[in-house]
Amino acid sequence: DAGVIQSPRHEVTEMGQEVTLRCKPISGHDYLFWYRQTMMRGLELLIYFNNNVPIDDSGMPEDRFSAKMPNASFSTLKIQPSEPRDSAVYFCASSLKLTDGYTFGSGTRLTVV
Amino acid sequence: GENVEQHPSTLSVQEGDSAVIKCTYSDSASNYFPWYKQELGKGPQLIIDIRSNVGEKKDQRIAVTLNKTAKHFSLHITETQPEDSAVYFCAAAGGSYIPTFGRGTSLIVHP
Repeated sequence: DAGVIQSPRHEVTEMGQEVTLRCKPISGHDYLFWYRQTMMRGLELLIYFNNNVPIDDSGMPEDRFSAKMPNASFSTLKIQPSEPRDSAVYFCASSLKLTDGYTFGSGTRLTVV
Repeated sequence: GENVEQHPSTLSVQEGDSAVIKCTYSDSASNYFPWYKQELGKGPQLIIDIRSNVGEKKDQRIAVTLNKTAKHFSLHITETQPEDSAVYFCAAAGGSYIPTFGRGTSLIVHP
């Protein structure tokens, strides 16, 4: 398996623009997680899905953030409109069970100027 | 909620030495403790984990110990090599099964 695949690897956008991050989890994994990593706040869970259904989105910072999982092999995290404070590395991860360790993707480094 | 403290934030060792990273947690209900290694430009990678029904687990040069009474757990790396240089994260998961991560330890192994 190629692991968790994220795209793009890097994204530079202007403040106010819409940004869409993409993730393909490992086939057969029932859980998908979106994390944000910054120096100030470390690794923060934004939202997670079980069998394509959002279970807990309490970590989503505000209404500008939204996530979808239309099928078992694809998820998106959208920021609209983007702001400079959204600059971070965004990771997608998947796992077979909630009580298992996660497999992380390589991340998307987002810079909002 | 759970609070995980990780120390030290930076650890510098000579190749061949041992390295120890320590974490404490606050929620006595936590029962799953994974450790992740993050290399530059990559996502965290699970390297070892331990559940609350065991006190120690070993995998080649890596071992984890858990003291549930004191609510702390540690990662031990023996015979360190330059490729062990990375940021290491501990985490603790309890009733919600969602892990809370420590802030990370940057391990530098000097050749």
